[in-house]
Amino acid sequence: QVQLQESGPGLVKPSETLSLTCTVSGSLNSHYWSWIRQPPGKGLEWMGYVYESGSTQFNPSLKGRLSMSVDASRNQFSLHLTSVTAADTAVYYCASLVLIANYFDNWGQGTLVTVSS
Amino acid sequence: SSELTQDPAVSVALGQTVRITCQGDSLTKYYANWYQQKPGQAPRLVIFGKNNRPAGIPARFSGSRTDNTAALTITGARADDEADYYCNSRDSSGIQHWVFGGGTRLSVL
Repeated sequence: QVQLQESGPGLVKPSETLSLTCTVSGSLNSHYWSWIRQPPGKGLEWMGYVYESGSTQFNPSLKGRLSMSVDASRNQFSLHLTSVTAADTAVYYCASLVLIANYFDNWGQGTLVTVSS
Repeated sequence: SSELTQDPAVSVALGQTVRITCQGDSLTKYYANWYQQKPGQAPRLVIFGKNNRPAGIPARFSGSRTDNTAALTITGARADDEADYYCNSRDSSGIQHWVFGGGTRLSVL
């Protein structure tokens, strides 16, 4: 069973960049690593994935603001979201995507990021 | 892009059977997957694919699909099943994009 753990600042100022890291217990190989967020009291939104090779795919609603990267030597992958606003306040989850069957089988515990000055 | 529609809230009497539905055009092409989320916790996969349960998920959880509607059925609901349930699938437009339903809050009475 793969375990995932998010880390990063809990507070980000408006217009700045939100950066989070997910540490994976186990290899990053052959997995699609996703970020999913959930605004307080609302539903889930898939943000994007990064593959072990570094290839990415993003939610069209976030294109232009979102980037992701992978560091296999550290068993980590990261998210960077630029020009944040209060609407980006959410619990951010990292998860592994089983692409062929379209489901997310392992999830981190989530980390709350608040965008506020 | 595709949308998945769920009823916001459903209730069930203890020990009875409840069906939580998810509707969307993408479900004619892809199976829905189902997640259980309790307050303060991450979502947990309970059903994936046609009707598969990850290890540790009780057999009272099952999945089905008819046309563009998928359903999660809980047979013999327990108090511990009270949670939010989300469906997800892939967008059917051809791009690699994954979507979630808005979630259904299940109350066990």
